[in-house]
Amino acid sequence: DAKTTQPTSMDCAEGRAANLPCNHSTISGNEYVYWYRQIHSQGPQYIIHGLKNNETNEMASLIITEDRKSSTLILPHATLRDTAVYYCIVRVARCWDNYGQNFVFGPGTRLSVLP
Amino acid sequence: EAQVTQNPRYLITVTGKKLTVTCSQNMNHEYMSWYRQDPGLGLRQIYYSMNVEVTDKGDVPEGYKVSRKEKRNFPLILESPSPNQTSLYFCASRGGQGCGETQYFGPGTRLLVL
Repeated sequence: DAKTTQPTSMDCAEGRAANLPCNHSTISGNEYVYWYRQIHSQGPQYIIHGLKNNETNEMASLIITEDRKSSTLILPHATLRDTAVYYCIVRVARCWDNYGQNFVFGPGTRLSVLP
Repeated sequence: EAQVTQNPRYLITVTGKKLTVTCSQNMNHEYMSWYRQDPGLGLRQIYYSMNVEVTDKGDVPEGYKVSRKEKRNFPLILESPSPNQTSLYFCASRGGQGCGETQYFGPGTRLLVL
């Protein structure tokens, strides 16, 4: 069973914020939320991850709801180069399962940034 | 720069001709793995290695071999390639500080078996 559900595709205007949602209603207390993206046939690229607090780095922001059942990845000023498939993954934190948990990539959301 | 490298990036071969795809990481990660990506099937794990001389099968190991003689290298070996192994292959390594371990992927190797 899939641990996450994401919309199949989304469009965003260049320069605007892209908000990508992810539902993970069965997330456990020991699972992190990770976001990766894959730009056409390149290797998946790590974006950000978090446990329960909102996180921000140079690429994006991650907003996790208080009940942790959903999250949103925010690209604050989308560019054409952000066009990619975005994957939301939940995974048991290393503390509890040292190297045992695989990163399982579902179909993701295909984000198209339009000029 | 922290990275995972793969070679070759593109390869065309014929059925039965042994080939090796190399993978190397410079982050001193213990865990490395190989995936293949096919349209409609997403990323599927072939083999993984938790440390030097420790390897195990992933979800689709048939037709592949791996070795882990050194921490930084994790080559993928196709002893007798077949057309159904035509795919896009990614090597990855995992590591990081604290509980939130992160996985890093190589640029990919596109293989065509005729």
